[in-house]
Amino acid sequence: NAGVTQTPKFRVLKTGQSMTLLCAQDMNHEYMYWYRQDPGMGLRLIHYSVGEGTTAKGEVPDGYNVSRLKKQNFLLGLESAAPSQTSVYFCASSYSITYYEQYFGPGTRLTVT
Amino acid sequence: AQTVTQSQPEMSVQEAETVTLSCTYDTSESDYYLFWYKQPPSRQMILVIRQEAYKQQNATENRFSVNFQKAAKSFSLKISDSQLGDAAMYFCAYRSRFRYGGSQGNLIFGKGTKLSVKP
Repeated sequence: NAGVTQTPKFRVLKTGQSMTLLCAQDMNHEYMYWYRQDPGMGLRLIHYSVGEGTTAKGEVPDGYNVSRLKKQNFLLGLESAAPSQTSVYFCASSYSITYYEQYFGPGTRLTVT
Repeated sequence: AQTVTQSQPEMSVQEAETVTLSCTYDTSESDYYLFWYKQPPSRQMILVIRQEAYKQQNATENRFSVNFQKAAKSFSLKISDSQLGDAAMYFCAYRSRFRYGGSQGNLIFGKGTKLSVKP
């Protein structure tokens, strides 16, 4: 049982480049989330999904897009990377809104130069 | 909107001693969860302890316990018999239990407290 996995673990981008971060979970969870963590800050919600084919904006959505074509995968895209998007990105999933446990992936450290 | 505040950016404790990390939160909801997460240098977010707001009894997990004061909106974490492996960032987090005001179960985090343990 792999839980929540994230690909890649590290990435360096140049300003203006694009990339996609992949989150995969094997627990049949409905809810999935993308957070970013910046120094001196807690995790902040970027986008989330309450089920296959549905996505919604979180607290800091600008500059990101997401897709959930399959229940087990939640993709986070950066169309034109900016230095302000240098951060650590975490994916999380949970079975339902009433089930307290939220499982986190190991994180992706992204640097935009 | 809910907010979580951790007023101690850094704390230090001697090995085998006890330390308490503070957390306050603001919400108009009556039913929610509170959590403490540990983040070691590996970056992995590890759930330490959770508290359901409807439970008056404070949660306990081995050396970790909380002091949940619902009326005061306070949720502190006590670590007893501190060990070197407890050194990490600790985050307090809030989660609505139901879909209040558009909430979809995401966690709302404080800024964290960096705990160091002295041998």
